[in-house]
Amino acid sequence: SQTIHQWPATLVQPVGSPLSLECTVEGTSNPNLYWYRQAAGRGLQLLFYSVGIGQISSEVPQNLSASRPQDRQFILSSKKLLLSDSGFYLCAQWDGAYEQYFGPGTRLTVT
Amino acid sequence: ELKVEQNPLFLSMQEGKNYTIYCNYSTTSDRLYWYRQDPGKSLESLFVLLSNGAVKQEGRLMASLDTKARLSTLHITAAVHDLSATYFCAVVPWAGNMLTFGGGTRLMVKP
Repeated sequence: SQTIHQWPATLVQPVGSPLSLECTVEGTSNPNLYWYRQAAGRGLQLLFYSVGIGQISSEVPQNLSASRPQDRQFILSSKKLLLSDSGFYLCAQWDGAYEQYFGPGTRLTVT
Repeated sequence: ELKVEQNPLFLSMQEGKNYTIYCNYSTTSDRLYWYRQDPGKSLESLFVLLSNGAVKQEGRLMASLDTKARLSTLHITAAVHDLSATYFCAVVPWAGNMLTFGGGTRLMVKP
């Protein structure tokens, strides 16, 4: 079965500091991977998706970036965080058929 | 641009009552999803609807899809407190593989 890990679970960072969130998946190979952000009390916004190593597509312009250094690893980064970057970040995996599964999420608070 | 609208955004109901959440979308789609999110938690997949007229039921929840009307409904029968959560619908446009989410419906079931 497929399992998605996200690290860390919670994070408090000052404005202007760098960010690195990690997502790793198990139980599958060459998955389509996604990063979503959910602001407090809001819906989900797709940030990035990747269909393979080194292949990243961005859905919205922002100060975030993503990388996929390994088949089952997806990283979300920022060089300088903004207050508006606060939110709940979810990594998701497409199973290749009809299901998209979500990881446990990382709650980021920028102070 | 695909738009997905849910209503109501907030629903407070008494235990034992029935209610329906609506999900409208703006473009041709062959897949519609319903997810549940508990406070502070990730998304849990409830239903995947793959064709016009599809109906799926799990416990007190029943989801249906009308692709001609571009409408899905999530019907709650005899609500119980444990159903309190936020419910999201999400749509994949025809021949696509990315989810576009509705804004969510926050459901509170009162004793």
